[in-house]
Amino acid sequence: EVQVLESGGGLVQSGGSLTLSCAASGFTFSTYAMTWVRQSPGKGLEWVSTISSSSISKYYANSVEGRFTVSRDNSKRTLFLQMNNVRVEDTAVYYCAKERIQFLEWTSALDSWGQGTQVTVSP
Amino acid sequence: QSVLTQPPSASGTPGQRVTISCSGTRSSVGGNSVTWYQQLPGTAPKVLIHSNNQRPSGVPDRFSGSKSDSSASLAISGLQSEDEAVYSCAAWDDAIKGYVFGTGTKVTVL
Repeated sequence: EVQVLESGGGLVQSGGSLTLSCAASGFTFSTYAMTWVRQSPGKGLEWVSTISSSSISKYYANSVEGRFTVSRDNSKRTLFLQMNNVRVEDTAVYYCAKERIQFLEWTSALDSWGQGTQVTVSP
Repeated sequence: QSVLTQPPSASGTPGQRVTISCSGTRSSVGGNSVTWYQQLPGTAPKVLIHSNNQRPSGVPDRFSGSKSDSSASLAISGLQSEDEAVYSCAAWDDAIKGYVFGTGTKVTVL
């Protein structure tokens, strides 16, 4: 069974840093692009970042470019999101999700999602 | 970041057909596959339709998707109470090299 499980969320002050992790199982992690998506309270889904299977390609939303860094360790089947200089508007549930198409370098459809991890940024 | 435009809400009685629109650009919906996600309250999103009109196994055939030029649509026929959820479209946008989600449509079963 395909599973992705986020961790690392919590309360952080504005300007601080936090690292989210996503542990994957049940599929060949090293062959799928992975994506972070966030959802603020009562709002819609917002794409944050995508990393290709080999880490060669990394894409970021304008809202986080230069502050967040996506990475992965294929040997440990784990995805990361390093969040620096966080802002109040970064408060959201952060989801880790798997791309549906093997070896695709970007995002087409996210077919497996974690339960999300809450990140709260205080002023 | 650009977003795809959806109506904020849609509703129908059980058994009715409901259609949700998704408007994008040539570089997003017009040039890439559209995915539809269903998000039930308090849960993570789930793929309902991928590749514009393909249903994953387990998704009832009451759900169907279509695309024309830079717009896409999701249709729910034979609406059921368990279909109450938020539906969001999404597509890769070549112009910004990012994945864009729709604004989301809350479906209510009257």
